[in-house]
Amino acid sequence: GAGVSQSPSNKVTEKGKDVELRCDPISGHTALYWYRQSLGQGLEFLIYFQGNSAPDKSGLPSDRFSAERTGGSVSTLTIQRTQQEDSAVYLCASSPEGGDYEQYFGPGTRLTVT
Amino acid sequence: ILNVEQSPQSLHVQEGDSTNFTCSFPSSNFYALHWYRWETAKSPEALFVMTLNGDEKKKGRISATLNTKEGYSYLYIKGSQPEDSATYLCASLGFGNEKLTFGTGTRLTIIP
Repeated sequence: GAGVSQSPSNKVTEKGKDVELRCDPISGHTALYWYRQSLGQGLEFLIYFQGNSAPDKSGLPSDRFSAERTGGSVSTLTIQRTQQEDSAVYLCASSPEGGDYEQYFGPGTRLTVT
Repeated sequence: ILNVEQSPQSLHVQEGDSTNFTCSFPSSNFYALHWYRWETAKSPEALFVMTLNGDEKKKGRISATLNTKEGYSYLYIKGSQPEDSATYLCASLGFGNEKLTFGTGTRLTIIP
């Protein structure tokens, strides 16, 4: 079946512009996660959605970052007024539930802020 | 241990040799330990999810052990092949917490 998909695969934007990154999780997966990997760093948790519960936004690095998940499926990560330090690979993952279930990752979006 | 730490950071292994590397994680409030393989230009792929102290899991030539009391897990690869070249990530999950904390990974290169 279809895996997790993300779009765009690459995005180059100018400093100060807003960007939207999209994630389509595996159908039926209730848990959805956003991570980012900056150059030379490990995977950094950003936000977690589980079903209809309020999302865990504790990993968002600033109020320029926001995410929503519509209808319990597709999610959009929005970065406003992008900065050069936002350049990273942004990964989305989904799992049947949270916790001890393995996560299925998408191919990522490589964001470059010039 | 407050964070998830992996060692070594990188490793070169001759094809056919066996190897192993370490993941250290906070032992207090432990719930689960995940291992992922991340090949260049691909998505991270789950290898194992482990929860029980003393657990050992195996997938083909790859196996992992878990010690929750002392907070470490080992990943073993037997008879390394070129397709094993990847970054291996471990991640820890605390009880009551849905956020995985990832280590920075061990980058494995198999030399033909």
